[in-house]
Amino acid sequence: DGGITQSPKYLFRKEGQNVTLSCEQNLNHDAMYWYRQDPGQGLRLIYYSQIVNDFQKGDIAEGYSVSREKKESFPLTVTSAQKNPTAFYLCASSMGDLLDLFPYGYTFGSGTRLTVV
Amino acid sequence: QKEVEQDPGPLSVPEGAIVSLNCTYSNSAFQYFMWYRQYSRKGPELLMYTYSSGNKEDGRFTAQVDKSSKYISLFIRDSQPSDSATYLCAMYSGNTPLVFGKGTRLSVIA
Repeated sequence: DGGITQSPKYLFRKEGQNVTLSCEQNLNHDAMYWYRQDPGQGLRLIYYSQIVNDFQKGDIAEGYSVSREKKESFPLTVTSAQKNPTAFYLCASSMGDLLDLFPYGYTFGSGTRLTVV
Repeated sequence: QKEVEQDPGPLSVPEGAIVSLNCTYSNSAFQYFMWYRQYSRKGPELLMYTYSSGNKEDGRFTAQVDKSSKYISLFIRDSQPSDSATYLCAMYSGNTPLVFGKGTRLSVIA
């Protein structure tokens, strides 16, 4: 079955530690996105990538880094510079570039819940 | 003012009720509108999409866009306990990532 796989489902980070969240898709989608979801805040865009080896900052990129070395993969690293990383992280993909979002929109993964301990 | 405003609720209704969920927006360049449904601890899934103004119906769901008022709605008829979820509106102008509302949490009580 085609889809997006995020792993792990739950992740615990100690203070000052970097952690990497995995996102893999087998939909042959060109664009991939990372969103952060906090209670009462909705989805906020961290980074997105429309093509391999290229990515753009979203609204809340500080303290995060990404790479896009393969079309299928878009890992997100939460660095120690991110002061409040506890949140639900969602990865998404879309078929074409930003001009082709309609009508299919995004396909989302099931999310990773990150907790600082 | 945020680009997209959505009342987070929670909204609690009895089974069989008609539910109205709404979003307002400030960016007049938005012309594509979507509604996503998100069950607890899951990723959102696309429920409805509309382009520009007008209505679109799909089973018990109707999406409505009023561009003159910058207001979109999702109506759910004959609501069921399985409709209990968070509903997120999303929109975009055609060359930027989707912009989401905060989501409205809906509970349908049997």
